Amino acid sequence: EPEVTQTPSHQVTQMGQEVILRCVPISNHLYFYWYRQILGQKVEFLVSFYNNEISEKSEIFDDQFSVERPDGSNFTLKIRSTKLEDSAMYFCASSSRQGSYNSPLHFGNGTRLTVT
Amino acid sequence: SQQGEEDPQALSIQEGENATMNCSYKTSINNLQWYRQNSGRGLVHLILIRSNEREKHSGRLRVTLDTSKKSSSLLITASRAADTASYFCATASRAGGTSYGKLTFGQGTILTVHP
Repeated sequence: EPEVTQTPSHQVTQMGQEVILRCVPISNHLYFYWYRQILGQKVEFLVSFYNNEISEKSEIFDDQFSVERPDGSNFTLKIRSTKLEDSAMYFCASSSRQGSYNSPLHFGNGTRLTVT
Repeated sequence: SQQGEEDPQALSIQEGENATMNCSYKTSINNLQWYRQNSGRGLVHLILIRSNEREKHSGRLRVTLDTSKKSSSLLITASRAADTASYFCATASRAGGTSYGKLTFGQGTILTVHP
């Protein structure tokens, strides 16, 4: 069964450094998402992406965050200058239709980002 | 409580027993979904119920939705040790023009099934 893959599985970075989290969504999916889960807290929506542009973003997704689909298969999340509070598990997801009645989100296994 | 609150927070049962998890939410929704997460892994979609549906089945899973009470329940029948995981409800709402793909997750219920 097709799946969403994320790399790396674990990323350790120093505060102030830039990180890029990578995702390969399911190949025929059109909608892409990033969510994050801080340890012990809820899974939170960050951003949705369709047709090469952001369709919605949350308050968390400030100017330090950006997303890109550079080559038609990868979907990346960049954090320009990481903060300690960015430490979390970041999940990429995709769906064939915009989270519609018949199209659930398919999540990757996540990248655990640790900012020191 | 916040959108998508599950109870109980933790549930421990014996194999073969049924497990019931509840979810409450605050705003109007278009659909409600249940996801499962094994420790350290991603979220796996289990079942989606639309706002105009009251009950849905999938294998050993049964989901109910009561929009008047803004609540949902997930029942896992004849549980197995392999069902041990965290279970999350997530709501999709078009309120305020939000997209369907923006799900609001609950805190989750940690289910432990003892063999």
